[in-house]
Amino acid sequence: DTAVSQTPKYLVTQMGNDKSIKCEQNLGHDTMYWYKQDSKKFLKIMFSYNNKELIINETVPNRFSPKSPDKAHLNLHINSLELGDSAVYFCASSQQGAHEQYFGPGTRLTVT
Amino acid sequence: RKEVEQDPGPFNVPEGATVAFNCTYSNSASQSFFWYRQDCRKEPKLLMSVYSSGNEDGRFTAQLNRASQYISLLIRDSKLSDSATYLCVVNPRYSGGYQKVTFGIGTKLQVIP
Repeated sequence: DTAVSQTPKYLVTQMGNDKSIKCEQNLGHDTMYWYKQDSKKFLKIMFSYNNKELIINETVPNRFSPKSPDKAHLNLHINSLELGDSAVYFCASSQQGAHEQYFGPGTRLTVT
Repeated sequence: RKEVEQDPGPFNVPEGATVAFNCTYSNSASQSFFWYRQDCRKEPKLLMSVYSSGNEDGRFTAQLNRASQYISLLIRDSKLSDSATYLCVVNPRYSGGYQKVTFGIGTKLQVIP
């Protein structure tokens, strides 16, 4: 009974391609997040949505575009992929004002 | 100075040992603090919140020192299954009522038989 799911789990692609990662949560949370964890294991927030509204947008290249069709889904589209985009991307969700975030299993993106 | 700083380790300790990690934060207005645990190639999971008065959950004790701006995690009687990376999480801003968290780089713990 998966709480936060992401697809795909692994993504290998070439530089310059465009790719999307999907995230869904069935916890009834109203806030969702995208994090990037690089090779040094540093976990950094990229975006946060509350009830489909973008509320946090960190310094991220505009090649990254999040989309939230409803509060249970938050997708991440990446244009013109670069080598430096290789990382693990985690989706997470929480209830607004609550402190515990539930993470998805991660999407391991490798750009060659 | 980084918003949240942790010693990345690794800390190699024998089973049964007591080990403590510290995490310092730069924003004195930070309001909430947590420890997450991340196993190798897995997602982070909340271990425990850190309250001003300190709190304990079994073998784990978390403390907050606002004056010196650090939080700590103490693990007693270490088990092999405690081997993981422990992430310090601080909420440095709370704009518009929305949660924003900053993760430390994590401290890697390896418990050895």
